[in-house]
Amino acid sequence: EAGVAQSPRYKIIEKRQSVAFWCNPISGHATLYWYQQILGQGPKLLIQFQNNGVVDDSQLPKDRFSAERLKGVDSTLKIQPAKLEDSAVYLCASRPTSGRASEQFFGPGTRLTVL
Amino acid sequence: QKEVEQNSGPLSVPEGAIASLNCTYSDRGSQSFFWYRQYSGKSPELIMFIYSNGDKEDGRFTAQLNKASQYVSLLIRDSQPSDSATYLCAVRRNNQGGKLIFGQGTELSVKP
Repeated sequence: EAGVAQSPRYKIIEKRQSVAFWCNPISGHATLYWYQQILGQGPKLLIQFQNNGVVDDSQLPKDRFSAERLKGVDSTLKIQPAKLEDSAVYLCASRPTSGRASEQFFGPGTRLTVL
Repeated sequence: QKEVEQNSGPLSVPEGAIASLNCTYSDRGSQSFFWYRQYSGKSPELIMFIYSNGDKEDGRFTAQLNKASQYVSLLIRDSQPSDSATYLCAVRRNNQGGKLIFGQGTELSVKP
């Protein structure tokens, strides 16, 4: 079973620039999450999708962050414009709707550095 | 008060010893509790989860849950250098569709 795929793995941008991250969840996983992990901290949920609908985006800074999951499969997370404090690893995770429903499977993450 | 708090690290134990990692949570509505391991530069991977009060064992790992005290712990027996990583505690309220709230993590170092 292929895991969660993310790209790019690394990105360096200057503040006020825009950046986009892509995630392809495990096939058949209806629930998709985007987390932000700042160095030395645990992951923080930014947004959760169930199929192509948003379940929770309460901690998404909506003035600069946006996310979509068209067709309920792949997802993109965008930051525009980026700030220095956005430097973090952005983790995508997916979760099955049956079977090992308790487990979230994480992708390798995208490490963003904002200069 | 943070929703999920873990004992500050780094925690250093000799090879073969028992490593004890602790976590407290503030929301009494929390139903499920997870321990993830994260190697440096890698993504979190699930070690085990626990729902019911008491102990749950899986190989060298034992998770302990005490809902009355809002406390969950992870014991690693016969610690190995390969166990050196950051351990993340996470909690979930079942009515939140799988949303996990993570602690800040405890870095464990197992010395040969």
